[in-house]
Amino acid sequence: DAKTTQPNSMESNEEEPVHLPCNHSTISGTDYIHWYRQLPSQGPEYVIHGLTSNVNNRMASLAIAEDRKSSTLILHRATLRDAAVYYCILRDHTSGTYKYIFGTGTRLKVLA
Amino acid sequence: NAGVMQNPRHLVRRRGQEARLRCSPMKGHSHVYWYRQLPEEGLKFMVYLQKENIIDESGMPKERFSAEFPKEGPSILRIQQVVRGDSAAYFCASSPGTGWDYGYTFGSGTRLTVV
Repeated sequence: DAKTTQPNSMESNEEEPVHLPCNHSTISGTDYIHWYRQLPSQGPEYVIHGLTSNVNNRMASLAIAEDRKSSTLILHRATLRDAAVYYCILRDHTSGTYKYIFGTGTRLKVLA
Repeated sequence: NAGVMQNPRHLVRRRGQEARLRCSPMKGHSHVYWYRQLPEEGLKFMVYLQKENIIDESGMPKERFSAEFPKEGPSILRIQQVVRGDSAAYFCASSPGTGWDYGYTFGSGTRLTVV
């Protein structure tokens, strides 16, 4: 499985945008980029995923570099409830791969 | 529409006892995945099941651990003769399939403490 690299931790002020980076230099053409987050004492929850084009949903935006070797999860206005560990995961959608391989993620701290 | 239900939320067992963790997937979901999270670590895949079948148990320890997903009822993760190193959070997830648009829905986990 292709690996991802994320910073261990980041801080943001409340109501400001947050850009969470993810490097995936060995990404293959059929790998989708998925983001999950895990709030304290909770299971992970799906945030967003994409292949090549930037994606938006009610939770966040995903900006994917043109060469696909990196991506950025954007929270437009961070709230205290966004404090969580954010995981960037690659998943091959053609090989029948069903496992998510979680790394250590980025721990986001939101300051009031 | 209830999400993935796991019970119990917290489970305390003495060394040598058995632990049974239950997972009821979301309605309409027939694929179940179990993950383990040790303190301050990431989630590790354990096993993937469909109704009455184990599809992939490559992440399961070879001894003492077993999983099932019967035709009726919840999926069960069973740990026999628990040891202190089994203390962890165990998460179950479900999905309706394995296609590209099927993300996982996770439960809130069972926190097992072995004393």
